Amino acid sequence: AQTVTQSQPEMSVQEAETVTLSCTYDTSENNYYLFWYKQPPSRQMILVIRQEAYKQQNATENRFSVNFQKAAKSFSLKISDSQLGDTAMYFCAFMKGGSQGNLIFGKGTKLSVKP
Amino acid sequence: DGGITQSPKYLFRKEGQNVTLSCEQNLNHDAMYWYRQDPGQGLRLIYYSQIVNDFQKGDIAEGYSVSREKKESFPLTVTSAQKNPTAFYLCASSIATDSYSNQPQHFGDGTRLSIL
Repeated sequence: AQTVTQSQPEMSVQEAETVTLSCTYDTSENNYYLFWYKQPPSRQMILVIRQEAYKQQNATENRFSVNFQKAAKSFSLKISDSQLGDTAMYFCAFMKGGSQGNLIFGKGTKLSVKP
Repeated sequence: DGGITQSPKYLFRKEGQNVTLSCEQNLNHDAMYWYRQDPGQGLRLIYYSQIVNDFQKGDIAEGYSVSREKKESFPLTVTSAQKNPTAFYLCASSIATDSYSNQPQHFGDGTRLSIL
């Protein structure tokens, strides 16, 4: 069975600084996908970034980028130039390739961006 | 605008009562999902459906039931058999997945269910 671990329950960062959220996962699969979702106080889950395991290049979406280390089964999220609107819960999620879309979530990291 | 609508936003259940949470999407997505979120926990999958009139149990299906009579709708019933139903419930949808691509899920705004 796959598991996803987020070892940082809470983090804080000053506005405009950079912060990295960690995520590790355990799987015997070779074909899979990894996601970071953001859940602001409104509680809606918003997709931040996605990485296909077969791609060596790290995914980037504007201020958000990942450091995907397949051998180490690590998938960290880096947020550059942090903004107050980045304050939210961040969830790392795993999806097995060829599955019926079932996401396995970590327990989340609560990020606070301070002015 | 396309999206996923969950209703109601807040719901209260009496002991021994069944309640139904609504989830409607106009994204023309084939697949729909129900998750439960407890404090300090990630989301856990309750049920999912890839096509109309078909659905599968997720990791925590006991005490819940679903139906998928229309592509746009995937209601979740929390039955009296679910002894600890207080939680935040999220519905999601995605383009149907196959062996070659896994599509990200889009989420609704959630329903908070509490016991009276």
